[in-house]
Amino acid sequence: QSALTQPASVSGSPGQSITISCTGTSSDVGGYNYVSWYQQHPGKAPKLMIYEVSNRPSGVPDRFSGSKSGNTASLTISGLQAEDEADYYCSSYTSSSTVVFGGGTKLTVL
Amino acid sequence: QVTLKESGPVLVKPTETLTLTCTVSGFSLSNARMGVSWIRQPPGKALEWLAHIFSNDEKSYSTSLKSRLTISKDTSKSQVVLTMTNMDPVDTATYYCARTFIGAAFDIWGQGTMVTVSS
Repeated sequence: QSALTQPASVSGSPGQSITISCTGTSSDVGGYNYVSWYQQHPGKAPKLMIYEVSNRPSGVPDRFSGSKSGNTASLTISGLQAEDEADYYCSSYTSSSTVVFGGGTKLTVL
Repeated sequence: QVTLKESGPVLVKPTETLTLTCTVSGFSLSNARMGVSWIRQPPGKALEWLAHIFSNDEKSYSTSLKSRLTISKDTSKSQVVLTMTNMDPVDTATYYCARTFIGAAFDIWGQGTMVTVSS
């Protein structure tokens, strides 16, 4: 199972919006509404930000939103804040009943 | 409060078998639609899913590592155990366990345990 494809890095200024893409295949992202997004600060465990494509767990700001079109899922962060600077990973359930992660995207807040 | 905590050796030698234990609290391993996954992250690299086990004892393994992995649970002890055989230096990583919902959302993570493979 190949890793999902994410851009290595994205950046934005405080207050701006950014979008991180996550591209898979019809056997994972495109085939199921089971895409999740995780935020990871250096030296910390990942934190669930979005599940089932577009649902936010309790406590996650509504500045974070998720969507999907075909084989590509996206995470959008609006009103960028300094504390959003982190690595972001997408994941998807697959047709093999396994899970695949993306390669990760480093978000820099300028 | 839901917590998960990984435990196991810090250092293993090449060819040895790694055994990691995830002890959970705040939820039961018999809860429907819930399970526990193991995920690892080599230093400076991406997350890699390894395996999961659900309340009905359904198990699944990474395709590339399936021959080396075994996952099991002891509901009475609130523990999930992962064994990985034939360890290699490339297996050096932080190993996390995480509570998992059907649909593979990992909502609560342990702090992780760093395992180094070296002779």
